[in-house]
Order: sequence, then C-alpha cells, then structure tokens
Amino acid sequence: DAKTTQPTSMDCAEGRAANLPCNHSTISGNEYVYWYRQIHSQGPQYIIHGLKNNETNEMASLIITEDRKSSTLILPHATLRDTAVYYCIVRVPEARSINTGTASKLTFGTGTRLQVML
Amino acid sequence: NAGVTQTPKFRILKIGQSMTLQCTQDMNHNYMYWYRQDPGMGLKLIYYSVGAGITDKGEVPNGYNVSRSTTEDFPLRLELAAPSQTSVYFCASSPRDRVDFGPGTRLLVL
Repeated sequence: DAKTTQPTSMDCAEGRAANLPCNHSTISGNEYVYWYRQIHSQGPQYIIHGLKNNETNEMASLIITEDRKSSTLILPHATLRDTAVYYCIVRVPEARSINTGTASKLTFGTGTRLQVML
Repeated sequence: NAGVTQTPKFRILKIGQSMTLQCTQDMNHNYMYWYRQDPGMGLKLIYYSVGAGITDKGEVPNGYNVSRSTTEDFPLRLELAAPSQTSVYFCASSPRDRVDFGPGTRLLVL
C-alpha cells in the first residue's frame, strides 16, 4: 500500500469548511483513497473513498487531483463533534483483490488531528 | 444489523494469564480484521481473515492467535499475557469496499 503524508494538526472555526490535505505521490493505478476518522478512543469511522473522480456523501466531499498524487477531504460545515484524528489511506479494496484471496490492509499512519473551535 | 460487536469492553489481566477477545458481525462479511492501538499511536494489524477457515498474519501477530470457524465470529486469543499487550483492540469487517470497525476492547496487563 502507498504511503501518505498529512499535516500533524489543523484548526478550524465551527461552521466553516475544514479542508484536510493528503499527499500520496506513489499511489498505484488500482489503489483507492480512503478517509477515516477516530473520535477520542472510539473505533475508526469510515468517511468516504474514491478512485479518481470527486466524491460526495452526507458526511464529506473528497477531491482527488487529476494526477491522483494528492487529495483533500472537505467537511463543509465543521462542528465541534468533528474534532477527531483524520486518516488518509490508500489501498486496494477487497472487491478488487477477491481473486487473489488476499486483502489489502488498511495501514494507519498518524493522521491529522483536527480541532474545531467556537 | 448490530454491525461489529466486541466483548468485553474492558479487561484487566495479570501477566501470564490468557483470554479470548470476542468479535462478531452479523452482516455476512467475508473479510475480518484485528487491530491494536497503543496510546497516541496509529492502528496496527494483528491478524486478518478472508473467509471462514482462512486466516493470515498481519504486522504484529506475535503473542496472538485467531480462528475463523464461522463467517460471523473471529476471536482473538492471548495465550500468555504480557505488559506489552496493554492496548485497545479493534475488530473490523469488510463487505466489498470499506472496512467497518467495532467499538474496541481496552486491555490492561499488569
């Protein structure tokens, strides 16, 4: 799995958009970009994932550059409850590795600690 | 669906004791994982399974064993607990393209 680089920490005012960057310059063609977050000591929570097109769901938007070497997770209106550690991960999803009988494991780095402030 | 459930939520073990961390998912997912997370650190993969009867080692398997006799259950066994195994343990399962995590088991070995 490709390695990712994220800022250690970021601050964001409540109600503003939080833009979390991630560099993954060695991503391969079949690897997807995943975002997870971990609030305090809870289990990691899936946010969104994508291959090359921009994606949006009820939680966030994912913007992937055309060369796929970097991406940005956007929380459109950050709230205090969005304070968490955010992990950017690149991997081949299980559906794409089913024929090999192997799983492309989630490799968690240290992530970005997002602090949402009043 | 209850999702991924883990028991117990918290446990204190003495050095040398053994225990089994239970993990169950009711979503008929083939892929299941065990991770550990030490304080202030990221998650590390212990073992994973791609289906009933198939398991494989992850990044930090030493001191642990797993089994996968059914699709639903993926227990993690600690045979001789050591202080280095003090951690939070997360079980996870995957349908086809995302991994869902359980709430975790906090283990303290004294």
